[in-house]
Amino acid sequence: GQNIDQPTEMTATEGAIVQINCTYQTSGFNGLFWYQQHAGEAPTFLSYNVLDGLEEKGRFSSFLSRSKGYSYLLLKELQMKDSASYLCAVREEQAGTALIFGKGTTLSVSS
Amino acid sequence: SAVISQKPSRDICQRGTSLTIQCQVDSQVTMMFWYRQQPGQSLTLIATANQGSEATYESGFVIDKFPISRPNLTFSTLTVSNLSPEDSSIYLCSVGTSPSYEQYFGPGTRLTVT
Repeated sequence: GQNIDQPTEMTATEGAIVQINCTYQTSGFNGLFWYQQHAGEAPTFLSYNVLDGLEEKGRFSSFLSRSKGYSYLLLKELQMKDSASYLCAVREEQAGTALIFGKGTTLSVSS
Repeated sequence: SAVISQKPSRDICQRGTSLTIQCQVDSQVTMMFWYRQQPGQSLTLIATANQGSEATYESGFVIDKFPISRPNLTFSTLTVSNLSPEDSSIYLCSVGTSPSYEQYFGPGTRLTVT
């Protein structure tokens, strides 16, 4: 079956670093995605990993270990605007096909 | 990247009626999907909208309840039929283009059933 797990909630302070973990068990694997979703808005694409290792994009980095079924999203120099839900999603099949989403992690950043 | 618009952005409907949601993309895309996001929950795939053929539905979703049309490569509709309060949710259109890996989401339609 399909299972994608991530923590429900996390809190952090401005300027800090936070790591949001995601573990997955799916029938196939063709990429892991992270999305950011602010309340009342659509998800926006943050990162994509298909090979093992770290992908860095500004303040955000994403890591993947396919053998462990594990990924994390690292957010550095946290800002208040980073308060949002972070969704981990897996694509099981070929490029262009639908994603399976985890339940999301709500991150609250305080000053 | 693709720009996706949805209509309506929100609606309040009575039990037993239907709502049709439109999704328009500014470029031709291979794949279009419809997701549901219930209050406080993550996204659940309803179906893949196939151009020129019947949609492919996920387990737990049926064509009679969620009929989908996709007449061309830039447009799709999702109808939520025989509405009940349990259908209150956000419905999101999403597109993906092979061989690109990215998938984009529309702004969503917030449906409230009374």
